[in-house]
Amino acid sequence: GENVEQHPSTLSVQEGDSAVIKCTYSDSASNYFPWYKQELGKRPQLIIDIRSNVGEKKDQRIAVTLNKTAKHFSLHITETQPEDSAVYFCAASIKAAGNKLTFGGGTRVLVKP
Amino acid sequence: NAGVMQNPRHLVRRRGQEARLRCSPVKGHSHVYWYRQLPEEGLKFMVYLQKENIIDESGMPKERFSAEFPKEGPSILRIQQVVRGDSAAYFCASSPPTTGANVLTFGAGSRLTVL
Repeated sequence: GENVEQHPSTLSVQEGDSAVIKCTYSDSASNYFPWYKQELGKRPQLIIDIRSNVGEKKDQRIAVTLNKTAKHFSLHITETQPEDSAVYFCAASIKAAGNKLTFGGGTRVLVKP
Repeated sequence: NAGVMQNPRHLVRRRGQEARLRCSPVKGHSHVYWYRQLPEEGLKFMVYLQKENIIDESGMPKERFSAEFPKEGPSILRIQQVVRGDSAAYFCASSPPTTGANVLTFGAGSRLTVL
């Protein structure tokens, strides 16, 4: 089955700096790659996603890139703010498996004011 | 649209008791997924169901755990004879009927504590 690896597991940045989280996946049939943000004690919430026919997608301070050949994708957060502090999860899904998501292990991001 | 509703939000059980967690998907969604999150860990897939069908249960422990999504009513994740290691947050998610790259919407989770 699909395996998703995520790095780093923790990331501390100064407010205003950028944060980058990287994920790799194992199954070349994966075609959908969402990113979820989870605040302490809360539900995971979708912040951005990218499909396999696109290489890059941007939404204000958040961007995601996908390299299908290398089977990796990354989340970029620019001009970080304290409210960006949370755990971020990448995920991948395969069309043939319905919408089942396989998640990475998560990255705890701390933005220091 | 009330989103994905899970109850109870918190459940305390003693070892050996049964836990039943309920999930009502977003209105119009017919696909339900259950994930388990241990403290300080990621989301682990357990089971994927459609109405009256288990599509993928590859993440379900072989014993004590079962799930259903009946024609009427919520999806239920049932854990029999709970042990301390079952303490975790159990998240339900739902998606629309069509497959292929559709967004999963998560519920707020049910936090199970086994004493």
